[in-house]
Amino acid sequence: SYELTQVPSVSVSPGQTARITCSGDALPKKYAYWYQQKSGQAPVLLIFEDSERLSGIPERFSGSTSGTMATLTISGAQVEDEADYYCYSTDSSGDLVVFGGGTKLTVL
Amino acid sequence: EVQLVESGGGLVQPGRSLRLSCTASGFTFGDYAMNWVRQAPGKGLEWVGFIRGKAYAGTTSYAASVKGRFAISRDDSKSIAYLQMNSLKTEDTAVYYCTRGVLDRWGQGTLVTVSS
Repeated sequence: SYELTQVPSVSVSPGQTARITCSGDALPKKYAYWYQQKSGQAPVLLIFEDSERLSGIPERFSGSTSGTMATLTISGAQVEDEADYYCYSTDSSGDLVVFGGGTKLTVL
Repeated sequence: EVQLVESGGGLVQPGRSLRLSCTASGFTFGDYAMNWVRQAPGKGLEWVGFIRGKAYAGTTSYAASVKGRFAISRDDSKSIAYLQMNSLKTEDTAVYYCTRGVLDRWGQGTLVTVSS
């Protein structure tokens, strides 16, 4: 089965840059997507097709990929960015959707 | 405005069945694949399965954990997607979300609790 790997937690101070990574063997061929989920809420799509920011998402959120790793970067993280962040993609066939295990971002 | 509203959740005994519905509005439903994603209490997101749109003949795909027990269907005339869940297990307890296409829009979820 296909897996996407995320580090469980990242911690930064307000105003610092947070980088959240997601690794998977099919990422060179398949797009990565990034979601933010705050406590008790449904996930919200931030980044699609590796690096495209959804309309209305602050510019401090950006996405990139290099080889088998996708990265979500939050430039100048704010306290309100504290949340769980998930990547998702598909396996090489496109028939199976996979989520990363999630990364808890702490900003304090 | 795109809206997805899940319904049908509740408490069910192990081994029984339950059907969830996702009622969509604000977009051309038949043009989109529809996914179901679940989240067990305190856990991460888990993809359950999807059904493609009419352009792809409504084909389906499922996660290994539910394959053979769960089935996704759709009624494009009513803009509703369904998740039929059979032979439920305690580990199926989760909030179930329906999502559109490349998972760009989500409903608020419905809680399914499998317990005796």
